[in-house]
Amino acid sequence: AQKVTQAQTEISVVEKEDVTLDCVYETRDTTYYLFWYKQPPSGELVFLIRRNSFDEQNEISGRYSWNFQKSTSSFNFTITASQVVDSAVYFCALSEKGNSGGYQKVTFGTGTKLQVIP
Amino acid sequence: DTGVSQDPRHKITKRGQNVTFRCDPISEHNRLYWYRQTLGQGPEFLTYFQNEAQLEKSRLLSDRFSAERPKGSFSTLEIQRTEQGDSAMYLCASSSVRGLAGTYEQYFGPGTRLTVT
Repeated sequence: AQKVTQAQTEISVVEKEDVTLDCVYETRDTTYYLFWYKQPPSGELVFLIRRNSFDEQNEISGRYSWNFQKSTSSFNFTITASQVVDSAVYFCALSEKGNSGGYQKVTFGTGTKLQVIP
Repeated sequence: DTGVSQDPRHKITKRGQNVTFRCDPISEHNRLYWYRQTLGQGPEFLTYFQNEAQLEKSRLLSDRFSAERPKGSFSTLEIQRTEQGDSAMYLCASSSVRGLAGTYEQYFGPGTRLTVT
């Protein structure tokens, strides 16, 4: 069964600090997808990134970067020079093949609440 | 607005009543999903549709829950004989998966917060 663990429940940083959110996953599949979503106080989940299990290249998008390491089953997310607007709950998620054959059943972690203090 | 929309945004009901939620996906998306999220937890998968076909249901979806997507566009989620444990945020998402080039990220609506008193 697939499982996603986000051990950090809450993190507080001062604005402009860098912060890394950890994500460890478990799966028996060799092909799967990993995602990060942001849930701001307004409540709507916002898609940030998707990573295919065959693509271990790290990715950078502005102040965001992702480190995917298959050997340790981790998909960590770093925010550089954090801003108050980054305050939100961040979810890591994993998608394996479902019973119907498609990659549709997504398992979410419990989330990490990030508070950026001005 | 071309995002996923859900209606109502909030629903308060008494235990034992039936409730129905609606989700309108992004228009070109052929897959639609329902999730439930309780406080301090991540979303939990309930069910999903490809066009009008319901392809997978979670064990979380008891007999009191039913979902439909009659014309492959909007979907409804009905909860019969609500219980206090049904209080949660119900999230709808959609995605586009067309052939091998499809992407798998799901785009979420704002959710319907259900409170059962």
